[in-house]
Amino acid sequence: AQRVTQPEKLLSVFKGAPVELKCNYSYSGSPELFWYVQYSRQRLQLLLRHISRESIKGFTADLNKGETSFHLKKPFAQEEDSAMYYCASQVGFQKLVFGTGTRLLVSP
Amino acid sequence: EPEVTQTPSHQVTQMGQEVILRCVPISNHLYFYWYRQILGQKVEFLVSFYNNEISEKSEIFDDQFSVERPDGSNFTLKIRSTKLEDSAMYFCASTADRAQDNSPLHFGNGTRLTVT
Repeated sequence: AQRVTQPEKLLSVFKGAPVELKCNYSYSGSPELFWYVQYSRQRLQLLLRHISRESIKGFTADLNKGETSFHLKKPFAQEEDSAMYYCASQVGFQKLVFGTGTRLLVSP
Repeated sequence: EPEVTQTPSHQVTQMGQEVILRCVPISNHLYFYWYRQILGQKVEFLVSFYNNEISEKSEIFDDQFSVERPDGSNFTLKIRSTKLEDSAMYFCASTADRAQDNSPLHFGNGTRLTVT
């Protein structure tokens, strides 16, 4: 069964500091990995997915199959990045499985 | 940009009562989902729905739960006899493509259900 682990419930940084939100997955196959973000009082929305290899709002995430990780990174955090971040995995057409989420708090 | 809409935003009900949570998915989407999030816990899959039938359900989705697409636009989640532990945020989601290759999952704002 798929499992997604986000070890940090809260990550607090100062504006301009680098950010890394950790995500590890467990599945013997090749899942698709995603990061979803939920800003205050807004809906869950897709931030990025590993197949796209894109950078959204300065965030990137690299899939490391050896470490089964998909950590989300940004070199310089902004206050508007403060939100809940959820890592998720999907195998084929199966359901999306979420991690427990990490709250990112960026202070001025 | 089209959005998934959910009503009501907050529902308070007494234990044992029936509730219906309503969702209007994005109009050209074909796959519909319900997820829930108990306060402080992860977002959990409940059920997926395609072509007017359930395609997958979790162990949470027992006989007290049911889903329906009563017309061409609404997608509802019914809880027949609510329990205290059903208190959670319920999210509806839809996509045009199950594998999300071309169409990511779009979520609604959620309905907060409080069972007293």
